[in-house]
Amino acid sequence: GENVEQHPSTLSVQEGDSAVIKCTYSDSASNYFPWYKQELGKGPQLIIDIRSNVGEKKDQRIAVTLNKTAKHFSLHITETQPEDSAVYFCAASSQYTGNQFYFGTGTSLTVIP
Amino acid sequence: DTEVTQTPKHLVMGMTNKKSLKCEQHMGHRAMYWYKQKAKKPPELMFVYSYEKLSINESVPSRFSPECPNSSLLNLHLHALQPEDSALYLCASSQDGGGDTQYFGPGTRLTVL
Repeated sequence: GENVEQHPSTLSVQEGDSAVIKCTYSDSASNYFPWYKQELGKGPQLIIDIRSNVGEKKDQRIAVTLNKTAKHFSLHITETQPEDSAVYFCAASSQYTGNQFYFGTGTSLTVIP
Repeated sequence: DTEVTQTPKHLVMGMTNKKSLKCEQHMGHRAMYWYKQKAKKPPELMFVYSYEKLSINESVPSRFSPECPNSSLLNLHLHALQPEDSALYLCASSQDGGGDTQYFGPGTRLTVL
């Protein structure tokens, strides 16, 4: 089955700096890669996603890049703000895994004002 | 509107109690999910309903019993739980399956005494 690894597990950045979180996956059939942000006491919120026919996607301060050959994808947050502090999860899935998402282990991001 | 609602927000129950968690979505999604999440861990898939039929049961103990009364509602019936079942229980929904985006509810914080 699919195995998703996520690094780093914790990340602290100064406000205004950039943050990068990386995930690798094992199943070359995976073709959908969402990123979720989870604030304390809340459910995961989808912040951006990418499909395997695209190499990069941006939404304001957030971008995701995908390297299918190397089987890794990354979340980039620019101009970080204190409200970006949360736990971020990556996930991978494919039409062949049906409805199942394989999650990374999470990254706790702290933005220091 | 990408809202999934869950009730109650918090639940405290004894090991002999019977209680139910409820989830609702009005996005016309045909797949609904129950996840269990422990602190600082990614969500763990418990059950998947696709077109109101149970399609995935991840070897969950029988003290957890899911029910999908219609395409908008999902219940999780709880009976004779153990303290280690204390966790955040998340509901999610997606358009169909096979790599569709999953939208999560806020979760029910369950404490078993």
